[in-house]
Amino acid sequence: KAGVTQTPRYLIKTRGQQVTLSCSPISGHRSVSWYQQTPGQGLQFLFEYFSETQRNKGNFPGRFSGRQFSNSRSEMNVSTLELGDSALYLCASRALTGAYEQYFGPGTRLTVT
Amino acid sequence: GNSVTQMEGPVTLSEEAFLTINCTYTATGYPSLFWYVQYPGEGLQLLLKATKADDKGSNKGFEATYRKETTSFHLEKGSVQVSDSAVYFCALSDQRNNNDMRFGAGTRLTVKP
Repeated sequence: KAGVTQTPRYLIKTRGQQVTLSCSPISGHRSVSWYQQTPGQGLQFLFEYFSETQRNKGNFPGRFSGRQFSNSRSEMNVSTLELGDSALYLCASRALTGAYEQYFGPGTRLTVT
Repeated sequence: GNSVTQMEGPVTLSEEAFLTINCTYTATGYPSLFWYVQYPGEGLQLLLKATKADDKGSNKGFEATYRKETTSFHLEKGSVQVSDSAVYFCALSDQRNNNDMRFGAGTRLTVKP
């Protein structure tokens, strides 16, 4: 099976702009989660989607939003970018069976200048 | 709420040394436990898992045993290699709590030749 894919891998944006990141889960996985990873804050949970519905949400401002499509692909959007949004954004998918482990994509490295 | 605590790094070892990274958890139910590894510039990879008390997860020479009595899941390897240099994350998934997924802060391991 192909793994989790994320596009783009690298992105440079300017403060105030918005950005959309894309994630394709492992085939058959209906749950997709997003995380922000920074050196200072570590791995922080953004949100999880299952069957096009947001199940869980982390403690991030409303500038961070997401959605999931009927084919389980997911996008996250960050509006009005701030310098502090520079981070590695990781997507993870899982099948809600067994141990419920998550499988991660390679991430999108976002730099805000 | 659920949480994972792992030993702070960084950890620096010589090649062929014994590795232990401590991990303890707090959970209301009986979670599944995981260790993930992150190599530079990559996403997290599932290293091993355990789904119930006394289970031992193992992979690539790494082992961890699910200890319910001490709420621990310590990662061990008998002889580390330079290629094991990475960041290691302990995590849990709690099926009784909306499949809540929690990660530790990560422990950076550097192995010197």
